[in-house]
Amino acid sequence: KAGVTQTPRYLIKTRGQQVTLSCSPISGHRSVSWYQQTPGQGLQFLFEYFSETQRNKGNFPGRFSGRQFSNSRSEMNVSTLELGDSALYLCASSFLQGSSYEQYFGPGTRLTVT
Amino acid sequence: AQSVAQPEDQVNVAEGNPLTVKCTYSVSGNPYLFWYVQYPNRGLQFLLKYITGDNLVKGSYGFEAEFNKSQTSFHLKKPSALVSDSALYFCAVRDSTGNNRLAFGKGNQVVVIP
Repeated sequence: KAGVTQTPRYLIKTRGQQVTLSCSPISGHRSVSWYQQTPGQGLQFLFEYFSETQRNKGNFPGRFSGRQFSNSRSEMNVSTLELGDSALYLCASSFLQGSSYEQYFGPGTRLTVT
Repeated sequence: AQSVAQPEDQVNVAEGNPLTVKCTYSVSGNPYLFWYVQYPNRGLQFLLKYITGDNLVKGSYGFEAEFNKSQTSFHLKKPSALVSDSALYFCAVRDSTGNNRLAFGKGNQVVVIP
């Protein structure tokens, strides 16, 4: 079974631009979560989607948004990029929401903002 | 809110010696506990989880973890470390109330010395 895939793997953007990252979960998984990983803050939860609905949101500004499609694929968008948005963005999928199932992570998208 | 503490930044161990990575947690209600490993430029790889049942949990690649409710700990162990175990290890906790939001510790760099 294929794992979680994320595209693109690497991105370089300029301050003020916006960016869209994509995540395809493991086949059959319906829950998708996004995390930001930085050296200073570690791994922080962004949001979770299940059945095309945002179920949970972390403590990030409104510039960070996401959505989930009917095939469970998810996208996250960051508008008006800031230097501090440079990070590894990880997507994780799980079979169900709020269950004992573990989350499986993709390889991440490395975003660099200059 | 749930949280995880991983008190040591780096754990150095000689190849063949036992490896222990410490984790304590805080969560309301019953905890769901996880260990993940991250290799350079990769996403997080699931090692094991504790949901309920036996306090000693066995996982992938010879790793195990012991859940201790009174000490709110979930230490990761491996009887005999390999050089290939050198990586970044994350402990994570989730509550059992119905979401997939994981709270991660800061991570421990494990260095196995040949």
